[in-house]
Parts: sequence; structure tokens; C-alpha cells
Amino acid sequence: DARVTQTPRHKVTEMGQEVTMRCQPILGHNTVFWYRQTMMQGLELLAYFRNRAPLDDSGMPKDRFSAEMPDATLATLKIQPSEPRDSAVYFCASGLKGPERTDTQYFGPGTRLTVL
Amino acid sequence: TQLLEQSPQFLSIQEGENLTVYCNSSSVFSSLQWYRQEPGEGPVLLVTVVTGGEVKKLKRLTFQFGDARKDSSLHITAAQPGDTGLYLCAVGSSNTGKLIFGQGTTLQVKP
Repeated sequence: DARVTQTPRHKVTEMGQEVTMRCQPILGHNTVFWYRQTMMQGLELLAYFRNRAPLDDSGMPKDRFSAEMPDATLATLKIQPSEPRDSAVYFCASGLKGPERTDTQYFGPGTRLTVL
Repeated sequence: TQLLEQSPQFLSIQEGENLTVYCNSSSVFSSLQWYRQEPGEGPVLLVTVVTGGEVKKLKRLTFQFGDARKDSSLHITAAQPGDTGLYLCAVGSSNTGKLIFGQGTTLQVKP
């Protein structure tokens, strides 16, 4: 049963520290998405990749967030420096984008980040 | 302003009751998806509707896409505690695969 995996599941850190979240997409999927979920804003798209190339990161605060895919089996989301307002659950999702249909996205279990 | 408005935001009912949740927009979409998210987990796709007026059934869940493809509803018959969760509708771009989600309806079904 193929699944998206995310590490760590929980992270508590202090303001100003660097945070790195990792995602292993489902093997063979060519799109990877990073979302942030909060009670106030709901599920927001931060960035996404297709075939490892970044297509859109307009939802991401550029000065402190960065997203990369060093290879097809790993996507990373970094926050440096972290701030209390970054506290949220961060989800990674992967999909197989066909030419003419809306993608089905498979979500990981999320990383719950708390910045003190 | 949200592209997708979901209502109600919260719903708490007793086991065995029926319920309907809504996803509305002023825009027209080529397709719409419904996801369910359980506590501590990521959203899981329930269904994709693509044709105006389309009705899809998944056991006790009935999904309908509006005739004008601007809105959708999810009806649950005889709700069970296992139906508890956050129900999200989402629309996507056929070009990019990018999804935009509604704020969701939080459903609690009490035994």
C-alpha cells in the first residue's frame, strides 16, 4: 500500500531556529505539493513541483521559507528563521498529473510544528 | 473572499441522523473533489465529480455536482461515529494539477 511519508510527525522548536520537514512522495508520482493547515486559514498551498521542477511557490513567504526536491524520492520544506506564527500542520501530497484531468492528490500524515 | 464557501462550518449530530453539507462558488469548474480528513491524518479523496448534475454514491454518501458546475453537495444517510471528520471540497486546474480547498465542514457524529 503506497503512501506519502513525512518526517518528523511532530516538531517543537524555539523562535529563530531552523526547521526542516521532509517528504517521500509515492514512487512514480510526478507532482509534489506542500500545504499548511491552520484553524484560521484552513488548507493553504505553499509550493508545488512537477518532475522535480518548482512550478509555483507564490503561497510561500519567500524570506524565510524554501522548498526543494533534491531527488525524485525526497522533498524538503525549510523555515529559517522560524517564528511563532509558523505554528501549523504542514502536509505534503503527491500525485500523478495526466494531461487533461484534475490530479488526485495523496496526502501524507503531516508534520505538526510548534514554534515557541 | 474564499473561492469555495462551505457550509455549515460545524455540525454535531447523533448517530443515525441524515445530513447535507454544501460547497458553493460563483465560478464554474470543470470538476470538483471531496476529501475527508480524520484527526491527526491528511485528507483522503472521496470522489471527483465532473459533469453538471452528476450524482455519485459511495455507500451512505451521496455527492452531487450542480447543473451549472458552480456548487456541490454531500449527503450522508444514517451517519455513524466513523463519519466524524473534516469534509473538504476542492477544485483544481487541469493545466497545473493545483488544488484550491474550501475551509471545510467539521462533522461530529455522537454515538
